[in-house]
Amino acid sequence: DAGVIQSPRHEVTEMGQEVTLRCKPISGHDYLFWYRQTMMRGLELLIYFNNNVPIDDSGMPEDRFSAKMPNASFSTLKIQPSEPRDSAVYFCASSSKQGPSYEQYFGPGTRLTVT
Amino acid sequence: AQKITQTQPGMFVQEKEAVTLDCTYDTSDPSYGLFWYKQPSSGEMIFLIYQGSYDQQNATEGRYSLNFQKARKSANLVISASQLGDSAMYFCAMREKQGANNLFFGTGTRLTVIP
Repeated sequence: DAGVIQSPRHEVTEMGQEVTLRCKPISGHDYLFWYRQTMMRGLELLIYFNNNVPIDDSGMPEDRFSAKMPNASFSTLKIQPSEPRDSAVYFCASSSKQGPSYEQYFGPGTRLTVT
Repeated sequence: AQKITQTQPGMFVQEKEAVTLDCTYDTSDPSYGLFWYKQPSSGEMIFLIYQGSYDQQNATEGRYSLNFQKARKSANLVISASQLGDSAMYFCAMREKQGANNLFFGTGTRLTVIP
């Protein structure tokens, strides 16, 4: 089975530009998570979805960030306008509520650099 | 208060030796899950092992075992017979509450295996 797929793997953009990160979860998983990883703040949950519905977006830093999940196999995280402090690795993860652990499986991440 | 604390920024271990990576957690929820993830230099997050708060026995997965001490709120990861490929960042994480699915991550421990 294919794992979580993220694109692009690397993104370099200028301040003020719109950035869209994409994620395809593992087929059959009903939870999808977006995380951000920085040296200063570590791994932070931004938002998560259950059955395509946003459940908790309290980690979204500000209105410049938005996330959508139009269907079970696709999600986007958009930053508009981007700022240098948004530079980080953004991970998408998915999980299924089967078994006791329903561990999250992570994608390879998107390394975003905003100049 | 930090929900997950990893006090060892870096650890060294000789190849073929065992190593323990520390993790303490803080929760008042009686139902929670504890996870360990590995992040090699390539950047992906790899799920290693899970321990549920009601599990009577310590979890084991191959060379990985979780030393779960509930009264002390600790969930240390033990890696036996270390291999060079074990060199990576290791993150402890906790999920609180049945039904909720977001993870809280520690700051990680960088393990270096010495040949």
